[in-house]
Amino acid sequence: EVQLVESGGGLVQPGGSLRLSCAASGFTVSNNAMSWVRQAPGKGLEWVSGISGSAYITYYADSVKGRFTISRDKSKNTLSLQMNSLRAEDAAVYYCAKVTAGTNKYYYYMDVWGKGTTVTVSS
Amino acid sequence: QSVLTQPPSASGTPGQRVTISCSGSSSNIGSNSVNWYQQLPGTAPKLLIHSNNQRPSGVPDRFSGSKSAGSASLAISGLQSEDEADYYCAAWDDSLNGHYVFGTGTRVTVL
Repeated sequence: EVQLVESGGGLVQPGGSLRLSCAASGFTVSNNAMSWVRQAPGKGLEWVSGISGSAYITYYADSVKGRFTISRDKSKNTLSLQMNSLRAEDAAVYYCAKVTAGTNKYYYYMDVWGKGTTVTVSS
Repeated sequence: QSVLTQPPSASGTPGQRVTISCSGSSSNIGSNSVNWYQQLPGTAPKLLIHSNNQRPSGVPDRFSGSKSAGSASLAISGLQSEDEADYYCAAWDDSLNGHYVFGTGTRVTVL
């Protein structure tokens, strides 16, 4: 069964750092495009970052560019999101998702989602 | 970054047909295919429609998607109580260095 399980969320002070992980089973993370999506309390979905399948190309939302880094560990079959300089507005449930995408991004969609991990930013 | 525009709410009685619109621009819906996600209360989003009108395995054929130029729509026919959820459209956006954009979301209520 294809499954994603996020971990690493928690309470962090403004300006602090946190590293989220997403463990995959049933497929190989390094062979697939992947994304992180977040949802602030009571708000809609916001795409945060993506990484391409074969080529090591990364994409970021303007709101996190320069502060967040997406990566994957082939040996552990995991996706990670390193979050630095955290702000109150980064507080959200963070979802990891497997992406199916064409090379030119004409089609790009998240077909498997994890249950999410909660990040709280507060002093 | 750009966001796709959806009506905040839609409603219908059981058995009715409900339609949700999604308005974008030439850099997203106008250039790339549209996807729809369903989020039931307290759960993670789920892929409902991909590539404008394709239903993943297991999604009832009551759900259908369409796209025309810079806009798209999701139709739910034969509305059921379990369809009460938030629905989001989404597409890749080619502007800037490329990014994925979600719609503002529509809460569907079954009366």
